[in-house]
Amino acid sequence: DGGITQSPKYLFRKEGQNVTLSCEQNLNHDAMYWYRQDPGQGLRLIYYSQIVNDFQKGDIAEGYSVSREKKESFPLTVTSAQKNPTAFYLCASSIEDSTYEQYFGPGTRLTVT
Amino acid sequence: AQSVTQPDIHITVSEGASLELRCNYSYGATPYLFWYVQSPGQGLQLLLKYFSGDTLVQGIKGFEAEFKRSQSSFNLRKPSVHWSDAAEYFCAVGEKNAGKSTFGDGTTLTVKP
Repeated sequence: DGGITQSPKYLFRKEGQNVTLSCEQNLNHDAMYWYRQDPGQGLRLIYYSQIVNDFQKGDIAEGYSVSREKKESFPLTVTSAQKNPTAFYLCASSIEDSTYEQYFGPGTRLTVT
Repeated sequence: AQSVTQPDIHITVSEGASLELRCNYSYGATPYLFWYVQSPGQGLQLLLKYFSGDTLVQGIKGFEAEFKRSQSSFNLRKPSVHWSDAAEYFCAVGEKNAGKSTFGDGTTLTVKP
């Protein structure tokens, strides 16, 4: 079955450590996205990529980094510079641009203490 | 810049009652409009989408939405709500050649028995 996988489902880290969240899709989609979700704040876009080896900052990119070396993969690194990293992180993909629906992964809940 | 407003943060309806969730957008050209649903701790799932043509669109799980250009609205409706419809609902708008969509802040639906 085609879809998006995010791993792990739950992730715990100590403050000051970088952590990388995995996102893989086998839908042959060109575009991929990372969102952060906090209670009562909806979805906030962190980074997005429309093509391999290219990506753009979203609304809250500070303290995060991404890479897009393969079409199928779009990992997100939460760096120690991110002041409030504890959140629910969602990865999504779409065929091309924003005129197409996005397919979402199940999410990763990151807790930093 | 495009924007999406979901005026109702939280709505409570009785099981079997009808439902309407509001969505207003701000966008100059013809928008590409979407409704997604999210169960707690899960990713988002597409309910329906509007690109052009018939302004009343049918989606999954018995949902429908009507595009009204004059009111810049794309409200989601369901004639009879089931307890399993309790979730958070997001309206989103996309545009041609834009890499990213704009999401509303979401409406949380509670269903009373």
